[in-house]
Amino acid sequence: ETGVTQTPRHLVMGMTNKKSLKCEQHLGHNAMYWYKQSAKKPLELMFVYNFKEQTENNSVPSRFSPECPNSSHLFLHLHTLQPEDSALYLCASSRQREDADTQYFGPGTRLTVL
Amino acid sequence: AQSVTQLDSQVPVFEEAPVELRCNYSSSVSVYLFWYVQYPNQGLQLLLKYLSGSTLVKGINGFEAEFNKSQTSFHLRKPSVHISDTAEYFCAVSDRNAGGTSYGKLTFGQGTILTVHP
Repeated sequence: ETGVTQTPRHLVMGMTNKKSLKCEQHLGHNAMYWYKQSAKKPLELMFVYNFKEQTENNSVPSRFSPECPNSSHLFLHLHTLQPEDSALYLCASSRQREDADTQYFGPGTRLTVL
Repeated sequence: AQSVTQLDSQVPVFEEAPVELRCNYSSSVSVYLFWYVQYPNQGLQLLLKYLSGSTLVKGINGFEAEFNKSQTSFHLRKPSVHISDTAEYFCAVSDRNAGGTSYGKLTFGQGTILTVHP
């Protein structure tokens, strides 16, 4: 499945670093999502964008900063992270409204914070 | 608030045996129900969904699920599993407004790891 791509696939960073995760969807969708998948915990929705506008911020700390320049691209800018932020970060996309629950996921970025 | 409970964190089975992965949910409003599958080193993929109508829903790869409103359950079944079904399976719910518009806010369970042995 190459409809949603994410780069990099793996990232190791120190707590003082600044890095960015990139997501691109080739499906013509207009809604995009960031999820966090930690071991032993349910998938957590972080942010939702509809037509480039942020419509959901699920109480995410400000050290995570999303950016959606257009309907096909989504970024997650990271700075001053903590070791507990180590997780798999998944991007997803969907059509809006009546089919927004049918989400297509990328393979994720495995983030390790040292 | 919605919540999803997947009752088994791991389910080991032998190839060609039947399997059932259990999911219970709680919600104060009407819900829509989903099963997603995650193969190793991949993102999640939609298996099937229940929106309305028949309570027995058929999905991809021979899986099916039955919505039981009185028991607030949405268990996933397959009559005969293959080695390639080894993966983690996630049950999810979402709600919608009165007009049927989805907010795209899925609440996921903790996942069930299905391991199929030869």
